[in-house]
Amino acid sequence: TQLLEQSPQFLSIQEGENLTVYCNSSSVFSSLQWYRQEPGEGPVLLVTVVTGGEVKKLKRLTFQFGDARKDSSLHITAAQPGDTGLYLCAGDPSAGTYKYIFGTGTRLKVLA
Amino acid sequence: NAGVTQNPKFQVLKTGQSMTLQCAQDMNHNSMYWYRQDPGMGLRLIYYSASEGTTDKGEVPNGYNVSRLNKREFSLRLESAAPSQTSVYFCASSRQGFRGYTFGSGTRLTVV
Repeated sequence: TQLLEQSPQFLSIQEGENLTVYCNSSSVFSSLQWYRQEPGEGPVLLVTVVTGGEVKKLKRLTFQFGDARKDSSLHITAAQPGDTGLYLCAGDPSAGTYKYIFGTGTRLKVLA
Repeated sequence: NAGVTQNPKFQVLKTGQSMTLQCAQDMNHNSMYWYRQDPGMGLRLIYYSASEGTTDKGEVPNGYNVSRLNKREFSLRLESAAPSQTSVYFCASSRQGFRGYTFGSGTRLTVV
């Protein structure tokens, strides 16, 4: 069974601080997605990375896919209270099946 | 633009009762999925439908059945509910060639 491990599990920081969330596996994925989930809602797709070494930026969020396509990171610069939520990574183990495997999540709280 | 709509939003069942969770998408997506989300375990795939007329098992299919009624609708049925099926259930859809899901807002099910 392919697993995606996220770290840290919980993170509580002050507004304005920077943070990095990691998503690691021993398996190769054809693509990897990052989602954010708010209480009482479903996850919302933030980004998809496909190529090893790929870096994508979404305003203050920077996503990187590892060279070997086994890991990914999410870096948030100058965190804001609106960034609070559960961040999930999801990997596609077989291109074209779209049966994603989800990590257990990182719960982020940004304090004003 | 409703996206993915799930009903009901909340449900309490007694052990042994049956129920059907409804899901409909209005984005003309080919593929639809049912996941369950449990604390500390992330999202786990129950069943999926790659296209209208096809369904297949995911990681945790036991105790569930599904029906892809048409391209829009994908229902999940619990024939005899058990306390272990207490969870938050998410329906998701994806369009062909796009790597990422659109999720509904979930059904919170408690089995007592």
